[in-house]
Amino acid sequence: EPEVTQTPSHQVTQMGQEVILRCVPISNHLYFYWYRQILGQKVEFLVSFYNNEISEKSEIFDDQFSVERPDGSNFTLKIRSTKLEDSAMYFCASSVGLAGDTQYFGPGTRLTVL
Amino acid sequence: AQKVTQAQTEISVVEKEDVTLDCVYETRDTTYYLFWYKQPPSGELVFLIRRNSFDEQNEISGRYSWNFQKSTSSFNFTITASQVVDSAVYFCALSEFLNDKIIFGKGTRLHILP
Repeated sequence: EPEVTQTPSHQVTQMGQEVILRCVPISNHLYFYWYRQILGQKVEFLVSFYNNEISEKSEIFDDQFSVERPDGSNFTLKIRSTKLEDSAMYFCASSVGLAGDTQYFGPGTRLTVL
Repeated sequence: AQKVTQAQTEISVVEKEDVTLDCVYETRDTTYYLFWYKQPPSGELVFLIRRNSFDEQNEISGRYSWNFQKSTSSFNFTITASQVVDSAVYFCALSEFLNDKIIFGKGTRLHILP
């Protein structure tokens, strides 16, 4: 069964460093998403991406964040200058369509900012 | 504004008991979608069910069943004859029509005791 994959599973970085989190969505899906979950809290939407551009973003997704689909398979989230409060689990998701279509989530990348 | 409330923060039951997880949602849209996801201790988000607002039929899948009631804006989840492997955090979530994001509740942590 096709699934969303994410690398790395755990990333440790120093405050102020740039990190890139990588995702490979399910191959026939057209919509891609990033969510984050601070430890013990709920899952929060960051951004959605379709046709090589951002279609929606939350207040959390400020100028420090960017997303890219550099090739036909990868979907990346970059945090330019990490802060302590960026420590969280980051989930990538993908769906075939919009309008409430089911989003399938990857296993997550745990980001720890020291 | 859309909102999902899971009032039960944590529930513990003994194996083989039935357990119901409550979910109440708020939305102004007439077309919307409801989801349940499971987050086991390993951390991934596993899709369980998707329901659209026009389909109020209850659904059963093995030991899992869902009760959708528009009149009370609730979408409750029941596990029958619970097993230790059901121990996880369960998230109820909502997506409005033509809206990219899924809004998650805070989750209910379910402990199934042997």
